[in-house]
Amino acid sequence: KAGVTQTPRYLIKTRGQQVTLSCSPISGHRSVSWYQQTPGQGLQFLFEYFSETQRNKGNFPGRFSGRQFSNSRSEMNVSTLELGDSALYLCASSSMGLAGARSYNEQFFGPGTRLTVL
Amino acid sequence: DQQVKQNSPSLSVQEGRISILNCDYTNSMFDYFLWYKKYPAEGPTFLISISSIKDKNEDGRFTVFLNKSAKHLSLHIVPSQPGDSAVYFCAASPGSSNTGKLIFGQGTTLQVKP
Repeated sequence: KAGVTQTPRYLIKTRGQQVTLSCSPISGHRSVSWYQQTPGQGLQFLFEYFSETQRNKGNFPGRFSGRQFSNSRSEMNVSTLELGDSALYLCASSSMGLAGARSYNEQFFGPGTRLTVL
Repeated sequence: DQQVKQNSPSLSVQEGRISILNCDYTNSMFDYFLWYKKYPAEGPTFLISISSIKDKNEDGRFTVFLNKSAKHLSLHIVPSQPGDSAVYFCAASPGSSNTGKLIFGQGTTLQVKP
């Protein structure tokens, strides 16, 4: 089975621009979560999508948004980029079942997209 | 607030010896815990997990221990190998069946010396 893929792997943008990152989950996985990794803050949860709906959201400003398509692929968008948005953005997928069903949150990560904001 | 803490930023051990990585948490509602290993420029790789209804889970050289009363978990690697050198993250899942959210510790860098 192919793993989680993320595109692009590297991205350089300037302040004020916007950026869209893409994630393809493991086949059959319906839950996709996004994380931001920075040296100072570690791995921070951004949001999670399940069946095209945002199911959970972390403590990030509204400039960070995402969506999920019917094939479970997901995109995240960051508008009006700031220098502090420079980070490794990681996507993870999980085979968790439907809401309310008991299942464990075992997530598998992609290689990440390294975003540099100049 | 940091709900999951890895108080040791780094650990160095000799090849063949045991590596013990520690993790503390504050939220008693966490019901599932995971350990990930991360190399530079790669995403975290899942290693091993444990449910809150257990106190030990073993997979090959990796064993995770959970002490719920102390809100503490540890990862034991025996024997340690140079290829184990990486950053190790512990993560906790909130006590809900409908969330894909994981809360991570800050990571511990393990160096295994030949």
